[in-house]
Amino acid sequence: NAGVTQTPKFRILKIGQSMTLQCTQDMNHNYMYWYRQDPGMGLKLIYYSVGAGITDKGEVPNGYNVSRSTTEDFPLRLELAAPSQTSVYFCASSYPPREGRENYGYTFGSGTRLTVV
Amino acid sequence: KNQVEQSPQSLIILEGKNCTLQCNYTVSPFSNLRWYKQDTGRGPVSLTIMTFSENTKSNGRYTATLDADTKQSSLHITASQLSDSASYICVVSYVSGGYNKLIFGAGTRLAVHP
Repeated sequence: NAGVTQTPKFRILKIGQSMTLQCTQDMNHNYMYWYRQDPGMGLKLIYYSVGAGITDKGEVPNGYNVSRSTTEDFPLRLELAAPSQTSVYFCASSYPPREGRENYGYTFGSGTRLTVV
Repeated sequence: KNQVEQSPQSLIILEGKNCTLQCNYTVSPFSNLRWYKQDTGRGPVSLTIMTFSENTKSNGRYTATLDADTKQSSLHITASQLSDSASYICVVSYVSGGYNKLIFGAGTRLAVHP
């Protein structure tokens, strides 16, 4: 059982370049999330999806786009990379939270370390 | 403003010793509080999850406590091992717009030395 798989693990981009961070999960989780982790800061939510075809913005969505064409995949797109997007990116997935079932777990991928120069 | 503050920022202890990490939060409406362990270069892994009505929860040598009145939580690590060296993240969950949202603390970086 692979869980949440992220690729690539590392990437260096030049300012203005674009790239897609891949995320796939094999647990049939409806909910998927993208976070970024900056040094000395807590993880910040970029985008999330509650199911195929449905996405919504998190706390820090500017400069990013997502799509969710299947339950398994949730790619994150950077169109015009900027130095401020240098960070470690984590994808996560979970079952839908419902009243009385708040103790659902999040499964995180191993992260993608992105440097924009 | 919903916030999660952790202390200390970093901690060094000797192998075999105990330690306690602190988490204070101002998140409302509170849903649950989680402690995660994050090894260097890896994603966070869940240690414990506690709801409003739970005061304590253990996972092996890890014991988390929750005081919902004072909005404080602690993570106690007993008989530390070298493999406990990691960042420990406190995460508080709240409900907004019908969805559960997470607020992450910045973490406490623990180093266990032989």
